[in-house]
Amino acid sequence: DIQMTQSPSSLSVSVGDRVTITCRASQSISSYLNWYQQKPGKAPKVLIYGASSLQSGVPSRFSGSGSGTDFTLTISSLQPEDFATYYCQQSYSIPRYTFGQGTKLEIK
Amino acid sequence: EVQLVESGGGLVQPGGSLRLSCAASGFIFSANTMNWVRQAPGKGLEWISYISSSGSTIYYADSVKGRFTISRDNAKNSLYLQMDSLRAEDTAVYYCAREVYYGDKHWFDPWGQGTLVTVSS
Repeated sequence: DIQMTQSPSSLSVSVGDRVTITCRASQSISSYLNWYQQKPGKAPKVLIYGASSLQSGVPSRFSGSGSGTDFTLTISSLQPEDFATYYCQQSYSIPRYTFGQGTKLEIK
Repeated sequence: EVQLVESGGGLVQPGGSLRLSCAASGFIFSANTMNWVRQAPGKGLEWISYISSSGSTIYYADSVKGRFTISRDNAKNSLYLQMDSLRAEDTAVYYCAREVYYGDKHWFDPWGQGTLVTVSS
């Protein structure tokens, strides 16, 4: 199975900060990479699909980039509602859609 | 509104069985691939099963293969997960999720609210 590794596992940040989360795949997955946001007690919600395409309704402060094995999720200016856990997911190896271990954004 | 609602979770003893259901609405259920994903308490997301729109193609994660059975009833707009021989490590919130395609890209959207399964004596 393809392993997905996120870094960091947690991040202490402030409102207004620019935030970058990294996801690395154990082999090339082209651009078959999705990002999800999960708030406590809630289901995950897709933010980015295909590495860089913004899901409809998601604020433009979220962006994704990368291809091959290295990917990033960037939040340009962190808002209070963005404190959550973020997961990457590879959709290259159908249907074994492995997820990263998650990155939790905490208030500094 | 596109919606998925899980039910059937609860407390079960090790070795026991449970059947989860996922009711779909707001979209053509019979045209969509569906998946189950679980999340152990305080842990990350783990994909566990996939079923094609017709139900003819099914996959499982190694962690549940031989113990869990995914199925669907397109006439009832429902997805199911039969869980047998349950173990403590199966304790988790179980989510159903629709697989969405755009070109050759695909992702899960939406997800249900989740149902908690606790395996304990």
